[in-house]
Amino acid sequence: EDKVVQSPLSLVVHEGDTVTLNCSYEVTNFRSLLWYKQEKKAPTFLFMLTSSGIEKKSGRLSSILDKKELSSILNITATQTGDSAIYLCAVWDGSSNTGKLIFGQGTTLQVKP
Amino acid sequence: SAVISQKPSRDICQRGTSLTIQCQVDSQVTMMFWYRQQPGQSLTLIATANQGSEATYESGFVIDKFPISRPNLTFSTLTVSNMSPEDSSIYLCSVRDSEAQPQHFGDGTRLSIL
Repeated sequence: EDKVVQSPLSLVVHEGDTVTLNCSYEVTNFRSLLWYKQEKKAPTFLFMLTSSGIEKKSGRLSSILDKKELSSILNITATQTGDSAIYLCAVWDGSSNTGKLIFGQGTTLQVKP
Repeated sequence: SAVISQKPSRDICQRGTSLTIQCQVDSQVTMMFWYRQQPGQSLTLIATANQGSEATYESGFVIDKFPISRPNLTFSTLTVSNMSPEDSSIYLCSVRDSEAQPQHFGDGTRLSIL
């Protein structure tokens, strides 16, 4: 069965710290890996990674995919309280032509002042 | 990316009743999806809403419980039928503008069943 696993499940840090969130997957027909940030209800898109070893960066956030290790990391540097959220990793399952996403459990990040 | 509006934002319903959730997009999109997020859980795909034909349901979800309509390329509805407390969840609409683009989510509907 296809699955996506995130670690840690929760994390508490202080402002200014750097955090690394992990995502590993076992998906037969991997197409892409996506990261989302969920603060209230709606997940907001962060990154989509398709090629291995190419870092994507947006401000203090960056992410990279390792297709050999079937994993990805999301880094947040100089964390702020506004980074407190659930970070979701999802894999685009290419076995159907609809573009189904398989989500991990999420990592809950709390950034304390 | 497309602007996705979902209504209602939240509702509290009696068990045994049904509720229809609407998803409106400000541009034509290829794919529309409906997800469920139960309390403390991650997102699970309910179905893919197909324009002009029956939705494609994932294992564990059936049309009688979650009928879906998609009359055009900008609008879809999800009905949660004969609700029970186990249906208390956030229901999310998502869209994909075109091939190889990421899915974007609406604001979600928080549904509580008494």
